[in-house]
Amino acid sequence: QVQLVQSGAEVKKPGASVKVSCKASGYTFTSYGITWVRQAPGQGLEWMGWISANNGNTNYAQKLQGRVTMTTDTSTSTVYMELRSLRSDDTAVYYCARVTFSNYYDSSGYNDYWGQGTLVTVSS
Amino acid sequence: DIQMTQSPSTLSASVGDRVTITCRASQSISSWLAWFQQKPGKAPKLLIYKASSLESGVPSRFSGSGSGTEFTLTISSLQPDDFATYYCQQYNSYPVYTFGQGTKLEVK
Repeated sequence: QVQLVQSGAEVKKPGASVKVSCKASGYTFTSYGITWVRQAPGQGLEWMGWISANNGNTNYAQKLQGRVTMTTDTSTSTVYMELRSLRSDDTAVYYCARVTFSNYYDSSGYNDYWGQGTLVTVSS
Repeated sequence: DIQMTQSPSTLSASVGDRVTITCRASQSISSWLAWFQQKPGKAPKLLIYKASSLESGVPSRFSGSGSGTEFTLTISSLQPDDFATYYCQQYNSYPVYTFGQGTKLEVK
């Protein structure tokens, strides 16, 4: 069965960096992209970016450009999201989610499976 | 960027009610819309994709409709397990996505 298992909770100081991992299993890793979504306490879902597990291509949310980097390790079927220069408003639960297509001819994909979430707390 | 606006933000209803949540896009997104259910402390769960396709394993009381800029999620007969927050997501601009702000479905 498809599973996305994320790394554990992190506590960081302002200005530091955090790297969250998302280990995939139960499917062919390089056949699906991954998006990262975050959710601040009591708030809605915010798309952060996308990475192709096939070739490493990325697309990041404009507001995070320059602070976020997404990478893959195909040898371990793991996707990483690194966020730098952390601020208090980066405190959130971070989710990875697989991108799938409803059929071969579709040009756009949606999120089907999600990781369990990783709480990142930024506090001095 | 495509903006997604959900209404209402909060919906009070009772078990057995038929409820409808609306999602509007700032420009046409064809049928590239998904609906998710989220419960406290849990990851979102996919309910509907491509505006009206029911995800495998999701009860048939959930249905989606719409195309272009206006979409609806309907729960035909509300069950106790359905009280949660619901989000729409556009993927017309794949691989760039946008979520609606969410609709909290609460007990009346």
